[in-house]
Amino acid sequence: ETGVTQTPRHLVMGMTNKKSLKCEQHLGHNAMYWYKQSAKKPLELMFVYNFKEQTENNSVPSRFSPECPNSSHLFLHLHTLQPEDSALYLCASSQERDGSYEQYFGPGTRLTVT
Amino acid sequence: GQNIDQPTEMTATEGAIVQINCTYQTSGFNGLFWYQQHAGEAPTFLSYNVLDGLEEKGRFSSFLSRSKGYSYLLLKELQMKDSASYLCAVRDGDYKLSFGAGTTVTVRA
Repeated sequence: ETGVTQTPRHLVMGMTNKKSLKCEQHLGHNAMYWYKQSAKKPLELMFVYNFKEQTENNSVPSRFSPECPNSSHLFLHLHTLQPEDSALYLCASSQERDGSYEQYFGPGTRLTVT
Repeated sequence: GQNIDQPTEMTATEGAIVQINCTYQTSGFNGLFWYQQHAGEAPTFLSYNVLDGLEEKGRFSSFLSRSKGYSYLLLKELQMKDSASYLCAVRDGDYKLSFGAGTTVTVRA
């Protein structure tokens, strides 16, 4: 595997379900991100982890719970979601150093909440 | 809050040139990115500008004017495969990117 991978690619869940999204980066980066992408809206930054420490929580509802066990893996635990949470969830990683802040994105998980 | 504006849609003919404008008002500025996103795929990096001026990379060029809060992405010799959404993003803090809503470019034969 190369780059940033995400599983599952598609997920349908009911409002009472609990599920988790997984992201893995194979680039040796030190920062990882969760974004939400809804139709016709800008990507919304949800969480940022730098060296496993959460550095940003962008006022995300508590029904979204991130976990970063190491610098290569990132999870997003979901519970009691709402239909408006249906969106594409993108994971990204970057290596923060002078002159290079490019974020590499995974293919995303298309989430549908019924 | 952050404000990043770009047109919603643009259409152009194969072989032509298209310029996608982006204006921004952000609390901080540490560079501006352009990403390309094909339908159903991940955004992929196109360019990064942190100083004023034009950066050229093959058929794609990106321009930045920090004093005007303005950037554009220029796509030359358009090809059908360039049909995609183009995202303007400002790095406005450590690890933080704020995105515009994206410009959908349709290339017609």
